[in-house]
Amino acid sequence: KQEVTQIPAALSVPEGENLVLNCSFTDSAIYNLQWFRQDPGKGLTSLLLIQSSQREQTSGRLNASLDKSSGRSTLYIAASQPGDSATYLCAVRRDAGKSTFGDGTTLTVKP
Amino acid sequence: DVKVTQSSRYLVKRTGEKVFLECVQDMDHENMFWYRQDPGLGLRLIYFSYDVKMKEKGDIPEGYSVSREKKERFSLILESASTNQTSMYLCASSSTGLAGGHETQYFGPGTRLLVL
Repeated sequence: KQEVTQIPAALSVPEGENLVLNCSFTDSAIYNLQWFRQDPGKGLTSLLLIQSSQREQTSGRLNASLDKSSGRSTLYIAASQPGDSATYLCAVRRDAGKSTFGDGTTLTVKP
Repeated sequence: DVKVTQSSRYLVKRTGEKVFLECVQDMDHENMFWYRQDPGLGLRLIYFSYDVKMKEKGDIPEGYSVSREKKERFSLILESASTNQTSMYLCASSSTGLAGGHETQYFGPGTRLLVL
């Protein structure tokens, strides 16, 4: 059974800092891995999707990497801003249609 | 932009009531999903559908059923609501890529259901 772990559970940083969020998974047989952002009481917004054959994806200040062999993905956020404050979730697509989600990392960026 | 809409943002129901949660997507996606999100338990898949009239159980289907009569609409049904079904319900959709891979999931805003 696929298990997805996100560390740390919470992170607080000053504005402008570069930071890394971690996601680990137990079964390397995956279709893809997706990073989401969730604001309090809202739905999930897709940030980046990495197919199993890819090593990384970039969008603006965000860079996500995938290392299937070690069961890890990282989300790098450059020059963090207060507007980046949210919960970040990773989801591993493990077979047809089914994803396993991590519990998320709650990020607070202080002005 | 992909848009996934859910019929209600907040819903209050009584134990034993039949509850319908509706989800509509406007991007002709083949796949649609229903999740529930609970503190400490994360997001868990209830059901998903990969085509009209097709459905598959997720990780926690007990107490729920679904209906997909049209491609754009996926309904979650609580046959007899119970207090342990109080939760945030999230709908999502995705397309199936050319190589058969599953593409980005797009989520609706969520329905917060309270069962009294």
